[in-house]
Amino acid sequence: DAGVIQSPRHEVTEMGQEVTLRCKPISGHNSLFWYRQTMMRGLELLIYFNNNVPIDDSGMPEDRFSAKMPNASFSTLKIQPSEPRDSAVYFCASSLGQDSNQPQHFGDGTRLSIL
Amino acid sequence: QKEVEQNSGPLSVPEGAIASLNCTYSDRVSQSFFWYRQYSGKSPELIMSIYSNGDKEDGRFTAQLNKASQYVSLLIRDSQPSDSATYLCALLTDSWGKFQFGAGTQVVVTP
Repeated sequence: DAGVIQSPRHEVTEMGQEVTLRCKPISGHNSLFWYRQTMMRGLELLIYFNNNVPIDDSGMPEDRFSAKMPNASFSTLKIQPSEPRDSAVYFCASSLGQDSNQPQHFGDGTRLSIL
Repeated sequence: QKEVEQNSGPLSVPEGAIASLNCTYSDRVSQSFFWYRQYSGKSPELIMSIYSNGDKEDGRFTAQLNKASQYVSLLIRDSQPSDSATYLCALLTDSWGKFQFGAGTQVVVTP
């Protein structure tokens, strides 16, 4: 079975550019989570969706960050404009959610470097 | 106040010995607990889940849960160099599947 698929795996771009990260959750999973991981701050939850609806975006650091989930099989995390402090590994995870006690499954992550 | 506490380590363990990792949490409502392993440069991968008080064994791994004392632990028996990684404790915190993760404990198994 295919796991959570993220793209791109690596992104290097200059400060001020728009960055779009993509995620395809595991088929049948109805909760999707976006995380950011850095050495200093560890694993931080940015936003999560259930049945394509954002449940909690309180972890989104600034208005420069936005996320969408237009359908059950696709989500994007966008940063516009990007800044060097946004450099991190961004993970997407999915789970069955909704009253299940099942684990989250992580994608391989996108390593983002803003120059 | 952090909801999930783990000793950051590094926890140095001789090859063949038992590694013992602990995690304490503050949310008394949580009923589901998970241990993830994360190798350097890789994504977290699930190694154990535990939902009831007591011990749960899976191969060389044993998870222990004590809800009254609000801690969950992970034992790794016969530690191997391939067990060197960061281990993250997580608890389920809402009905949509949100997790609260600890900061992780780095384990280093020395030959």
